[in-house]
Amino acid sequence: AQSVTQLGSHVSVSEGALVLLRCNYSSSVPPYLFWYVQYPNQGLQLLLKYTTGATLVKGINGFEAEFKKSETSFHLTKPSAHMSDAAEYFCAVTSPNNAGNMLTFGGGTRLMVKP
Amino acid sequence: EPEVTQTPSHQVTQMGQEVILRCVPISNHLYFYWYRQILGQKVEFLVSFYNNEISEKSEIFDDQFSVERPDGSNFTLKIRSTKLEDSAMYFCASGGQAVPGANVLTFGAGSRLTVL
Repeated sequence: AQSVTQLGSHVSVSEGALVLLRCNYSSSVPPYLFWYVQYPNQGLQLLLKYTTGATLVKGINGFEAEFKKSETSFHLTKPSAHMSDAAEYFCAVTSPNNAGNMLTFGGGTRLMVKP
Repeated sequence: EPEVTQTPSHQVTQMGQEVILRCVPISNHLYFYWYRQILGQKVEFLVSFYNNEISEKSEIFDDQFSVERPDGSNFTLKIRSTKLEDSAMYFCASGGQAVPGANVLTFGAGSRLTVL
């Protein structure tokens, strides 16, 4: 079984500050990891994903995440927050042998950006 | 950019009524999914669908639920007799790749179901 924990249901940063959204996973097999973002009244949009290869992955809108197997983490970062980054962010995990591509989501983190 | 379209955006129904939520996946995608999010809770997997059959389903997806791809463009979720606890946001998603686990899903904006 797989699970995802996102520490902090709400994170508030100032515009221009570093964004760090935490994600820890549990998986008995090598994981595939995803970050999705949800803007108000919109669907879940893929930010980035890790499957194999380079552990630092870059996504859209200046976000990146690093897969750290030893820490079972996949934290999302952005060097400088923008007002438009305010949204809810979801970390998700699946596995290479999951033919149905079932994603297991974390509880989500709502990012607020202060002017 | 191609998108997944869901209708209705919001439906209110009485307990015991049948509800059909509709989705139009991206046209060349082959894999289809339903997820749901009860208010304040995690997004949960319901069912995946490929080649006109269910490929995987969760414990939530009991006999009250069914999915169908009635034509080449729509993908529907039917709840036969709604319960209060079915109140949630239901997300449809589709994916185009055939690589297990690495399928990137495109999600719709969701259909909010309120059962009274």
